[in-house]
Amino acid sequence: AQKVTQAQTEISVVEKEDVTLDCVYETRDTTYYLFWYKQPPSGELVFLIRRNSFDEQNEISGRYSWNFQKSTSSFNFTITASQVVDSAVYFCALSEFIKAAGNKLTFGGGTRVLVKP
Amino acid sequence: GAGVSQTPSNKVTEKGKYVELRCDPISGHTALYWYRQSLGQGPEFLIYFQGTGAADDSGLPNDRFFAVRPEGSVSTLKIQRTERGDSAVYLCASSYWGSSGTNYNEQFFGPGTRLTVL
Repeated sequence: AQKVTQAQTEISVVEKEDVTLDCVYETRDTTYYLFWYKQPPSGELVFLIRRNSFDEQNEISGRYSWNFQKSTSSFNFTITASQVVDSAVYFCALSEFIKAAGNKLTFGGGTRVLVKP
Repeated sequence: GAGVSQTPSNKVTEKGKYVELRCDPISGHTALYWYRQSLGQGPEFLIYFQGTGAADDSGLPNDRFFAVRPEGSVSTLKIQRTERGDSAVYLCASSYWGSSGTNYNEQFFGPGTRLTVL
């Protein structure tokens, strides 16, 4: 069975501070996908990144960066120079490698990030 | 283009009643998913459609829950004899599978339907 654990339930920072969100996953699959989604107060889940298990290269997109370490089953997410608009709940998710058009996501419990001005 | 839409945005019902929740996926998306998100938790998978057929319904909690997608586009999640424990936000997502085999498993989510069972 697949499992995603986000140990941090809530993180509060002051604007311009960096914040790192932890994600640890469990799966028996040798190939799989990892995701991060953002859920702002409006409620709609917004896709941030997809990473397949073959690719351990870290990725940076603007103020966002992701650190994938297969050896420790972790896929951590860092927001650099946080802004008030980053305040949201962030979810890490896992799915099997695609066999057909799509596969169910297993989500972690989420980490609420509060960025204070 | 238009995203995933869900109606109604809010639904309040009484225990024991029947409800239907609708999802309009992004045009051309072959895969459609339903998830349920309880307060303070991550979404939990309910059912996944590939075209008109349910490819995986392992997440449906019991036989009071049923979903259809008769024409491979719009889907309806149906809940019979609602219980207070069914109160949650029901999320719909869709994704696309490219004919070349390119994998587009990125799921696009709708705004959800907040169901409250009194």
